[in-house]
Amino acid sequence: GDSVTQMEGPVTLSEEACLTINCTYTATGYPSLFWYVQYPGEGLQLLLKATKADDKGSNKGFEATYRKETTSFHLEKGSVQVSDSAVYFCALRINSGNTPLVFGKGTRLSVIA
Amino acid sequence: DVKVTQSSRYLVKRTGEKVFLECVQDMDHENMFWYRQDPGLGLRLIYFSYDVKMKEKGDIPEGYSVSREKKERFSLILESASTNQTSMYLCASRATGGVSEAFFGQGTRLTVV
Repeated sequence: GDSVTQMEGPVTLSEEACLTINCTYTATGYPSLFWYVQYPGEGLQLLLKATKADDKGSNKGFEATYRKETTSFHLEKGSVQVSDSAVYFCALRINSGNTPLVFGKGTRLSVIA
Repeated sequence: DVKVTQSSRYLVKRTGEKVFLECVQDMDHENMFWYRQDPGLGLRLIYFSYDVKMKEKGDIPEGYSVSREKKERFSLILESASTNQTSMYLCASRATGGVSEAFFGQGTRLTVV
């Protein structure tokens, strides 16, 4: 079946450090890829997405590139802020019908001043 | 602002009680989903619905049922609550077609005692 594997946390970084959260996937069809973020006490919200190979999604200084050859969609940010502290979820959805999102287990990021 | 609203943020129920979790969306989305979120396990799909009165089992449907009598409302039912159903429950909705974004409610933290 379809699955997403992302690096386990928690990840603790100092402000202005570089961030990479690894995400790889297994899919039976051709997926779209997503990163969702969950701030403390809130539901999930879409951070960025990519719909085809070599697409780069970006938002709020975060970026991720859809790499079909390595089945990866790693999340990166050059300089993190305290306000980036949250749980980050990588997800995929097969581009067919009404298929639901499949999520990774989430990575908790804590950024300290 | 688009909205997915879950009826309760926090709920405490007794073992054996019948529990209803309600979710309403105002975006006229065809698809609605119920996930549970547990530490170390990420989000797991319980049930989803792609149309009124239609439902599909997700990965962990045992002990749950759902109801979708109106397009905007999707209810999750715990027929006889058990302590292992203590969890955070997240509702989401999404339009059909394209690579449409899923919108999430703020979650219901259910404790079964």
